Amino acid sequence: QVQLAQSGAEVKKPGSSVKVSCKASGGTYSSNSFSWLRQAPGQGLQWMGRIIPVLGIPNYAQKLQGRVTITADKSTSTAYMELRSLRSEDTAFYYCATSSGYSSSYLAHWGRGTLVTVSS
Amino acid sequence: EIVMTQSPATLSVSPGERATLSCRASQSISSNLAWYQQKPGQAPRLLIYDASTRATGVPARFSGSGSGTEFTLTISSLQSEDFALYHCQQYSHWPLFGGGTKVEIK
Repeated sequence: QVQLAQSGAEVKKPGSSVKVSCKASGGTYSSNSFSWLRQAPGQGLQWMGRIIPVLGIPNYAQKLQGRVTITADKSTSTAYMELRSLRSEDTAFYYCATSSGYSSSYLAHWGRGTLVTVSS
Repeated sequence: EIVMTQSPATLSVSPGERATLSCRASQSISSNLAWYQQKPGQAPRLLIYDASTRATGVPARFSGSGSGTEFTLTISSLQSEDFALYHCQQYSHWPLFGGGTKVEIK
């Protein structure tokens, strides 16, 4: 059973950056893709992008292109999401999730989420 | 761009009753649809994928149906632990979610 351990809550100033990590255990890291999603308070889920660690190639949601970078470290089975130029509307829970294979797919395993608060 | 629409936004149901949740895609997504359950303070949990296949460990009272543009999640007899927020997600293209349906106690 895949387990995803995310880094802890962050409080950031507007205009700064945040980097959230997601360490995988208990599964086959190389055959999965890792997605990042976010959920603002009282809102729905927004897919931000994903990476296939074995290929190292990311894909991003168009609305966040240019502000988000997703990377992966195969040696530690860890995926990272960096979001830059933070604004108040980026305040949300950020989740990592895995899916099998390389195509767009359903998200079988989820991390517990990381709360990012953007406030001056 | 595909738009996913869930209805109703809130569904009030008594324990033991059937709940029927709808999800509509603005264009055909074949059977590339998943349903998730989310309880307060928790991450979403996969319930159904490929429109009708239950994920591991999901009780048989949860069933999914539909293809193309119209999909349904049915909970045959609501238990106390089923009162939660439900999301649908298409993966015919990059993942996109509906706005969610909250199932609350009537």
